[in-house]
Amino acid sequence: ETTLTQSPAFMSATPGDKVNISCKASQDIDDDMNWYQQKPGEAAIFIIQEATTLVPGIPPRFSGSGYGTDFTLTINNIESEDAAYYFCLQHDNFPLTFGGGTKVEIK
Amino acid sequence: QITLKESGPTLVKPTQTLTLTCTFSGFSLSTSGVGVGWIRQPPGKALEWLALIYWDDDKRYSPSLKSRLTITKDTSKNQVVLTMTNMDPVDTATYYCAHWDCSGGSCYRFDYWGQGTLVTVSS
Repeated sequence: ETTLTQSPAFMSATPGDKVNISCKASQDIDDDMNWYQQKPGEAAIFIIQEATTLVPGIPPRFSGSGYGTDFTLTINNIESEDAAYYFCLQHDNFPLTFGGGTKVEIK
Repeated sequence: QITLKESGPTLVKPTQTLTLTCTFSGFSLSTSGVGVGWIRQPPGKALEWLALIYWDDDKRYSPSLKSRLTITKDTSKNQVVLTMTNMDPVDTATYYCAHWDCSGGSCYRFDYWGQGTLVTVSS
């Protein structure tokens, strides 16, 4: 089973900041990593697929990087509407596994 | 437009069986490459994948819960049903279903999610 270690669990940012969220896999998963955004009471939104591909319709301030075991979700010039819970998913192998999540607060 | 919605009981007693239904629209589970999965999130904890069913009725389960889970589909009703036996308070969680699509040469895994349904296990 591939364990995903996501960090930080919580972060507070100021509008305009650059934010990095890390997801480290316990084994090589190529680029089989997705990132999601979720707000309370709402359905999760698919934002990054295959580690680096921005999902159509997602603002370009979101980007993903990484390959193998180390992955990063970056939010450039963060906005107040980006306050949410972010999580990663590896789909390289079963069982599918998720990172522990990151709650992003905007000051 | 793809939508998914979870439904089922909000409260179950320990040892009971939970039955959840995912009703979807905007896609067909008879289309090659398409699937629907279930995921849960206990309060304050991380997401956990539970099960996935494909268009061809192939199924995948979380190894840690496999003995308790059954996933089925009703293509004519656009529904996927998850049953979980022997419920325990630790199974209290928000349960989500999500769309999986590996048709057309590209894969979009869990690209659409339902809003989730909170299930509390308590006597």
